[in-house]
Amino acid sequence: QKEVEQNSGPLSVPEGAIASLNCTYSDRGSQSFFWYRQYSGKSPELIMFIYSNGDKEDGRFTAQLNKASQYVSLLIRDSQPSDSATYLCAVKNGWRGSYIPTFGRGTSLIVHP
Amino acid sequence: IAGITQAPTSQILAAGRRMTLRCTQDMRHNAMYWYRQDLGLGLRLIHYSNTAGTTGKGEVPDGYSVSRANTDDFPLTLASAVPSQTSVYFCASSPNEGEQFFGPGTRLTVL
Repeated sequence: QKEVEQNSGPLSVPEGAIASLNCTYSDRGSQSFFWYRQYSGKSPELIMFIYSNGDKEDGRFTAQLNKASQYVSLLIRDSQPSDSATYLCAVKNGWRGSYIPTFGRGTSLIVHP
Repeated sequence: IAGITQAPTSQILAAGRRMTLRCTQDMRHNAMYWYRQDLGLGLRLIHYSNTAGTTGKGEVPDGYSVSRANTDDFPLTLASAVPSQTSVYFCASSPNEGEQFFGPGTRLTVL
């Protein structure tokens, strides 16, 4: 059973702070890692993807991947109230040509002014 | 259209009725998926299709069926709706290895 675990939160941070969201996965064959943001009542939308160990930066967002420890994290710098949402971690392994992702249950982030 | 669309936006349905949720994408993605999302349970995969003409069962397939006659369309059918199928349903597509693109969702209430 492939599993992706996230702390449900809520994670509460003040405006301007760094928000750190973490995700662990059980399948060592995992190859692709994604972070989605979901506002209340809306559909998930992609924030970041990462395929290789290390850091990947895009604006205020940094994804970090450590395959040896089987975790992927998302850092949000200079957090804004508009970042308040649920963040979903997703993992794909491409096993047997099937690219079905496994989703975590999401972490709720609250950025307060 | 651009992206992925779903219909209807919301629906109230009597138990025992048959219902088809529609999903259409214009991105020529090979893979398509149906999820349901319930509070506290996250996204759960119902059915998927890696390419036109093939489908597979996800985590919670019972009570649902799908078809993939062409690349663009991936309808989800509830043969005889039950109250436990009350949920928000999301369709998604992806170019296999890449990220998923989600439709706006269908809010279904079964009474």
